[in-house]
Amino acid sequence: TAGITQAPTSQILAAGRSMTLRCTQDMRHNAMYWYRQDLGLGLRLIHYSNTAGTTGKGEVPDGYSVSRANTDDFPLTLASAVPSQTSVYFCASSDSGTYSTDTQYFGPGTRLTVL
Amino acid sequence: GQNIDQPTEMTATEGAIVQINCTYQTSGFNGLFWYQQHAGEAPTFLSYNVLDGLEEKGRFSSFLSRSKGYSYLLLKELQMKDSASYLCAVMDSNYQLIWGAGTKLIIKP
Repeated sequence: TAGITQAPTSQILAAGRSMTLRCTQDMRHNAMYWYRQDLGLGLRLIHYSNTAGTTGKGEVPDGYSVSRANTDDFPLTLASAVPSQTSVYFCASSDSGTYSTDTQYFGPGTRLTVL
Repeated sequence: GQNIDQPTEMTATEGAIVQINCTYQTSGFNGLFWYQQHAGEAPTFLSYNVLDGLEEKGRFSSFLSRSKGYSYLLLKELQMKDSASYLCAVMDSNYQLIWGAGTKLIIKP
């Protein structure tokens, strides 16, 4: 079972360019999340989706957008990258059912450098 | 505001026991999670506590006291592969995870 895959693994991006980070899960989880992880800080939620067709803003949504056209895919787009968006980005998913613990499972991450 | 506190770094000896503490102040509580994260890798789920008490899972145990806003992760019979960061996270009233910055555990032979 693949679980959650992310692409690309790493990327160097010029400031002002746009980029889409891809995330796909095969666990049929209804909820998906995008986090960024920076040295010395906890994981910070960028955007989330509780179910296909819905999205919500997390703690640090500015400069990022997401879509959830189907259950499996949850792409994250940076419209015009800035150096402060240099980070490691993790996608996660969870089965948020009534009897679920909402445990989140993570993809391998994308290391993004904006110059 | 919401806050999760855990030590930045701890050192322990192979074969020994180590306890990693986590204190939290959140708006609501719907469970506490511990994750392990090796350098350069994704966090992986270790344990979940929603009721007070100790949950044991092999060499790892996790304890929760909701009244004190406190949890710990206990690692026994430490192995070199346990060198990693350990992340504490609390699910708040909106069912969103609030994350601590993580505790880097260094195991020495």
